[in-house]
Amino acid sequence: DAGVTQSPTHLIKTRGQQVTLRCSPKSGHDTVSWYQQALGQGPQFIFQYYEEEERQRGNFPDRFSGHQFPNYSSELNVNALLLGDSALYLCASSLVGTHRDFGAGTRLSVL
Amino acid sequence: LAKTTQPISMDSYEGQEVNITCSHNNIATNDYITWYQQFPSQGPRFIIQGYKTKVTNEVASLFIPADRKSSTLSLPRVSLSDTAVYYCLVGILNDYKLSFGAGTTVTVRA
Repeated sequence: DAGVTQSPTHLIKTRGQQVTLRCSPKSGHDTVSWYQQALGQGPQFIFQYYEEEERQRGNFPDRFSGHQFPNYSSELNVNALLLGDSALYLCASSLVGTHRDFGAGTRLSVL
Repeated sequence: LAKTTQPISMDSYEGQEVNITCSHNNIATNDYITWYQQFPSQGPRFIIQGYKTKVTNEVASLFIPADRKSSTLSLPRVSLSDTAVYYCLVGILNDYKLSFGAGTTVTVRA
């Protein structure tokens, strides 16, 4: 039974570009949350998707957007990349009311 | 959201018990305490969750005193593979918007 899978594992972009990260939730899970983890810090909540809608959002600008598909997979889009967007981006899936299972993340480097 | 305070780092040796205390003085009535473990370049992994008294599973124990203003994660007989960052989160049950603090880096030495 596959857990949460994320792609790609690593990504290098330049300032101003746009990036799309992908997440497949653990089988049976219907809720997907995205987190940004800067080096040496804990993961910070970006937003959560449930039933193909954004349900909750953390303190991130509108440059960060997402989508959830009918099969519960999800994408995180970041526009107009800044150097400060360099981080590990984590996807977590869950059933409502249960703890989160995290993927291994996508390491994004913005040059 | 309840603010948590935990030590930045702890050192231990193989076979010892490691206890990490998290302070959460303004914990609310409906808040639960959840601990995650994270290895480098991996996502956090759920360890244990509790509301009061003691919770034990196959990997750890969680001790919560009656006033719930702190909690202690206990890792019995640690091995080198337990070297990781441990996060304490306090909030309503499985609140997904909870962000993680800096965590406690536990280093286990041979």
